Amino acid sequence: DTAVSQTPKYLVTQMGNDKSIKCEQNLGHDTMYWYKQDSKKFLKIMFSYNNKELIINETVPNRFSPKSPDKAHLNLHINSLELGDSAVYFCASSQDSQRGGTGELFFGEGSRLTVL
Amino acid sequence: GDSVTQMEGPVTLSEEAFLTINCTYTATGYPSLFWYVQYPGEGLQLLLKATKADDKGSNKGFEATYRKETTSFHLEKGSVQVSDSAVYFCALSTSGGSYIPTFGRGTSLIVHP
Repeated sequence: DTAVSQTPKYLVTQMGNDKSIKCEQNLGHDTMYWYKQDSKKFLKIMFSYNNKELIINETVPNRFSPKSPDKAHLNLHINSLELGDSAVYFCASSQDSQRGGTGELFFGEGSRLTVL
Repeated sequence: GDSVTQMEGPVTLSEEAFLTINCTYTATGYPSLFWYVQYPGEGLQLLLKATKADDKGSNKGFEATYRKETTSFHLEKGSVQVSDSAVYFCALSTSGGSYIPTFGRGTSLIVHP
């Protein structure tokens, strides 16, 4: 069983389109994250949710909207895609310290978005 | 705020060479420290961790020691293999319930036969 799974793995689309990336974790973790990795491998945190509540919202264009229907899922919707949105997007999860977590993040395999 | 600084790459070595990748941090609290590895085309995975000062994390021949006095967590391996070629990320997490992670910029390691 894959612990953190994201779909789709690859996404090629035109500028101006709207797309979504889905993420699910089966680890029972309380916190989930979205990261953007650019071509130089730099990881930038975008959002974090704890038990369906937003706790981190970095400086990200409001074209990006996360949605957490339950604590096992954190989806990312992107409106009006731009060339600069091309990147690999990673979902991750972690367990809270009160429930025995040590701060380790568990990552999905990534979703490579290419905007043409 | 918290930050992690790691040496810029790429680091290029021959097989069986000794590896050091430097990592230093600043943190307001008492963080846990991590090294993650990202193989080509894959997500990040935990390589090793240390949760308190003087702890040594180790895995697959890699080691790092949590040095509070120098705020460092340098990654070392005595003899690298071609299969170790990957990007290595130093990271810290502080907790107020939920963990707030901070990553370094990553260091690419290329090992030649």
